[in-house]
Amino acid sequence: SQKIEQNSEALNIQEGKTATLTCNYTNYSPAYLQWYRQDPGRGPVFLLLIRENEKEKRKERLKVTFDTTLKQSLFHITASQPADSATYLCALMAGSNYKLTFGKGTLLTVNP
Amino acid sequence: SAVISQKPSRDICQRGTSLTIQCQVDSQVTMMFWYRQQPGQSLTLIATANQGSEATYESGFVIDKFPISRPNLTFSTLTVSNMSPEDSSIYLCSATLTSGAGANEQFFGPGTRLTVL
Repeated sequence: SQKIEQNSEALNIQEGKTATLTCNYTNYSPAYLQWYRQDPGRGPVFLLLIRENEKEKRKERLKVTFDTTLKQSLFHITASQPADSATYLCALMAGSNYKLTFGKGTLLTVNP
Repeated sequence: SAVISQKPSRDICQRGTSLTIQCQVDSQVTMMFWYRQQPGQSLTLIATANQGSEATYESGFVIDKFPISRPNLTFSTLTVSNMSPEDSSIYLCSATLTSGAGANEQFFGPGTRLTVL
């Protein structure tokens, strides 16, 4: 069956460091991989989308890589700030039905 | 982008009753979805809300338990029927465009926190 794993439930880092979150999947051939941020009591907010034929995508302090051979995506936040503290969700979209399958998320805490 | 609102934001209901959740989008969108997020868990897709026709349900979810309406391109409702404590969860509405700028990004509502006693 399809499986999405985010490497850790929680990650703590010091302000200014780079946070790296991992998303691995099995039994899946996604057309798109997406990352969302979710704050407590709120719905997820879209951050970045990367296509199966793209290796890397950047947006300000965010960078996503996508390796379809390893079936893995890495999500980086550079120069992290306490305001980056949130749960980050990886989601896969298989194709034309636009349905997303989510990982369980990683709770990132950036300490001042 | 799209801004999504949901009503109610939270409710406490008695076992055996039903609750209808409303989802309003501020612009016309192609696809609308309903998700459930149980405490400490990720999002699970319940169904795709199809405009003017029956919703498409995911495995483990049925129309009798979760009837969905989508009368137009900006509005949808989800009803949680004959509720039990196991239905206590956060229910989220989302929408996406299938073409143009922002295609494939999903926009989420703030969620409806349901507690069933």
